[in-house]
Amino acid sequence: NAGVTQTPKFQVLKTGQSMTLQCAQDMNHEYMSWYRQDPGMGLRLIHYSVGAGITDQGEVPNGYNVSRSTTEDFPLRLLSAAPSQTSVYFCASSYGQYYNEQFFGPGTRLTVL
Amino acid sequence: GIQVEQSPPDLILQEGANSTLRCNFSDSVNNLQWFHQNPWGQLINLFYIPSGTKQNGRLSATTVATERYSLLYISSSQTTDSGVYFCAVEGGTSYDKVIFGPGTSLSVIP
Repeated sequence: NAGVTQTPKFQVLKTGQSMTLQCAQDMNHEYMSWYRQDPGMGLRLIHYSVGAGITDQGEVPNGYNVSRSTTEDFPLRLLSAAPSQTSVYFCASSYGQYYNEQFFGPGTRLTVL
Repeated sequence: GIQVEQSPPDLILQEGANSTLRCNFSDSVNNLQWFHQNPWGQLINLFYIPSGTKQNGRLSATTVATERYSLLYISSSQTTDSGVYFCAVEGGTSYDKVIFGPGTSLSVIP
């Protein structure tokens, strides 16, 4: 199993550009989520999904969209990037509809100029 | 939503020393997990421990759900233990939302 994979590993954007961060898992996990981690802070939940077709907002959802068309994939979209979105983004997944042990991807380091 | 606090925020240890990290949470939890983020940024599962005690080598964890805290014990610390330790909880009104604490930054020096 590859576990949780994220692409790209690094990305530089200009203000106003759009992009999609990809996340995929091959463990047949129902629960997937996106976090951002800023320097000196813990991880903050952006969006999460308890199954295909179901998404919900976390602590800091503004400026981000998600969709969950398949169990395996959970992309995060930035429609108009802002410097405040410079961060490291982590995707995670866990088995079952309810929270269980989470597994994290390697992260995507995003810089918005 | 549920609030998570961790203490101490920073810790410096001599190699071989023992330490206890604490996680307090403001509401009942369904789940609690401890992670280690290594200096390269990778998040590593340590324990999934909504209640009770678990041990894995030099590390052990105890969660007392009724008193709303969890402890992570590191014995005979090694330089490879350096990094940030997070607890993450799900529960209370934050149902289905996993909330992370701010972390404890640990530096183990030779």
